[in-house]
Amino acid sequence: GAVVSQHPSRVICKSGTSVKIECRSLDFQATTMFWYRQFPKQSLMLMATSNEGSKATYEQGVEKDKFLINHASLTLSTLTVTSAHPEDSSFYICSARGGGGLYGYTFGSGTRLTVV
Amino acid sequence: ELKVEQNPLFLSMQEGKNYTIYCNYSTTSDRLYWYRQDPGKSLESLFVLLSNGAVKQEGRLMASLDTKARLSTLHITAAVHDLSATYFCAVDYAADKLIFGTGTRLQVFP
Repeated sequence: GAVVSQHPSRVICKSGTSVKIECRSLDFQATTMFWYRQFPKQSLMLMATSNEGSKATYEQGVEKDKFLINHASLTLSTLTVTSAHPEDSSFYICSARGGGGLYGYTFGSGTRLTVV
Repeated sequence: ELKVEQNPLFLSMQEGKNYTIYCNYSTTSDRLYWYRQDPGKSLESLFVLLSNGAVKQEGRLMASLDTKARLSTLHITAAVHDLSATYFCAVDYAADKLIFGTGTRLQVFP
C-alpha cells in the first residue's frame, strides 16, 4: 500500500533556531502534498498545500515566511519552521494525495516539535 | 469557508453499547473520510465515502453519507475498549484539500 515517510518523528530545538521536517512518498508520485498542524486535544488545521515545482498555497493566517514549504520533487516535500518559538511547538503531519487511488490521501506519521 | 463540525466532542460509553457520531459540513462535497487517531500517533484511515447514500462497514463501525443533508454518521455497535480513540471526519473541499472536523474523543469503559 501507499506509504508516506515523515522525519524526524520528534525534535527539540532551541528558540530562534530553524527546523526542517521531511515528507516523502515512498512508492508513489505525489504531485500534491499537504501540511497540517495539530495542537493537543485539537483538530488538524491545514497550513498549506504544495504542488511539485511551484510555490505553496498557504491557508489564511499562516505565516509564509515562518513556515517555508518546498516541494522540489514528486516524492519529497519539506516544511521548515524558521526562527522557532515555544508557541510553534505542535504536532505537524504531512499528507500526500495519490497513493490511495484517485481519491486517496496518505498521511505521514507526524513530527512532534518542541521549542525550548 | 468550509466548516466541519462533529458532535459530540467527547463520548464516554460503556462496553457493549451503541452510539453514533455526527459530522455536519457547510459546503457541498461528494467525498468524506473518517479517520482514527490514537494518542501521540498520526491518522489511520477508516472509511472513504464517495457518493450520496454511501454506506461502509468494518467490524463494529459503520459510516454513511447524506450529501443533501451535508451529514455523515459513524455508528458504533457493541463498543469495546479497543475502540477508544479520537475520531475525525474530513471533507474533501472542491476536490482540492481535506478539511477536518472538530474530532470526537471516544472513551469506552467496562
